Amino acid sequence: DIVLTQSPALAVSLGQRATISCRASQSVSTSSYTLMHWYQQKPGDQPKLLIYDASNLASGIPARFSGSGSGTDFTLTINPVQADDVATYYCQQSRELPLTFGSGTKLEIK
Amino acid sequence: QVQLQQSGAELVKPGSSVKISCKASGYTFTSYGMHWIKQQPGNGLEWIGWIYPGNGNTKYNQKFNGKATLTADKSSSTAYMQLSSLTSEDSAVYFCARQGNSGYYFDYWGQGVMVTVSS
Repeated sequence: DIVLTQSPALAVSLGQRATISCRASQSVSTSSYTLMHWYQQKPGDQPKLLIYDASNLASGIPARFSGSGSGTDFTLTINPVQADDVATYYCQQSRELPLTFGSGTKLEIK
Repeated sequence: QVQLQQSGAELVKPGSSVKISCKASGYTFTSYGMHWIKQQPGNGLEWIGWIYPGNGNTKYNQKFNGKATLTADKSSSTAYMQLSSLTSEDSAVYFCARQGNSGYYFDYWGQGVMVTVSS
């Protein structure tokens, strides 16, 4: 299985940039696509898709969110961070079955 | 608008089975895969498997082979997951999630069903 590694937590000041990383145990890129996706989950809620295929913004997601990366190293950036962004962020790969998720990064406000 | 409405919380006894549902609306049910994801309290997300309602094809995470069975009823646009031989390790929130337009990501999620296994 492809293992996705995320840092457990990140604290950022309001209005600053948050950079959340995800490292895959093997490449999740193909010749045509980069198969990494990002979700936001607030306590008690279902996850919400933010970014698909590494850098495509999902419908209705503000442009403060962006994704980048290829191969094994990926980043979700939130700029500027707002109070409503307090949540846990998960990466997910679809390069191989089984589909796997990172363990999540909890974003807190300093 | 796309909605996935899941059934209510379940309290079940060890060794029993449970069947939870996910009713889809706002799109053509048979045109999108439906996935199921497990989340244990305080833990991350774990992919269980996938069903394509158009033809009933399924694919499971090997870890859940024999534990989960996915079905779909086209007439009611409802996907089901049955969990069998339940133990405390099966206590979790279970989400259904629609597959995205262009790949194996999840663009819409149900609200989740809490399954508690306890005697």
